[in-house]
Amino acid sequence: AQKITQTQPGMFVQEKEAVTLDCTYDTSDPSYGLFWYKQPSSGEMIFLIYQGSYDQQNATEGRYSLNFQKARKSANLVISASQLGDSAMYFCAMRHTDKLIFGTGTRLQVFP
Amino acid sequence: GAVVSQHPSRVICKSGTSVKIECRSLDFQATTMFWYRQFPKKSLMLMATSNEGSKATYEQGVEKDKFLINHASLTLSTLTVTSAHPEDSSFYICSRQGLYNEQFFGPGTRLTVL
Repeated sequence: AQKITQTQPGMFVQEKEAVTLDCTYDTSDPSYGLFWYKQPSSGEMIFLIYQGSYDQQNATEGRYSLNFQKARKSANLVISASQLGDSAMYFCAMRHTDKLIFGTGTRLQVFP
Repeated sequence: GAVVSQHPSRVICKSGTSVKIECRSLDFQATTMFWYRQFPKKSLMLMATSNEGSKATYEQGVEKDKFLINHASLTLSTLTVTSAHPEDSSFYICSRQGLYNEQFFGPGTRLTVL
């Protein structure tokens, strides 16, 4: 069965520091996609970054990068140079057929 | 800018009434859209896949007669919560698929049933 696990319910980071949010997954499908979304207090889900299972390189989007370790089945999100506006819930998700399966989320708080 | 809109953003209704939530794809014709439900401090749970011109596909445990989905055009899907009860109070979010199977989400609708 497909499953996404986020073991960190909450994380703190100081402004301008980097932070890693953990995500592990389980699937028997050889083809899958992994996503990270940000959900601020307003509730909207903001797409951050995507990694395909066949991608050779780790995905990067500005200050976001995805540390994809296929053998370990992990897809950690790294946020560099944290900003106060990064404070939000972060969800890891995996594509299974057309659907997205979400982890339980990590609440990130950035302090000055 | 936003690629998916939802209306209304908030709704408060009395128990026993029905509530319709609209989800529009603003920039792309979407044959498939998705409806999620999120309880406070919890993750998103897929309720159903909305298919243009055909019946929605509901996830296990979701009552199709309770949560009516209509996808009558390529840009509009609606979710109607029928005979709403307080336990239906939740945050409902829709999405459409992007080019890489990522999903773009609407801003969500917070439903409160009194």
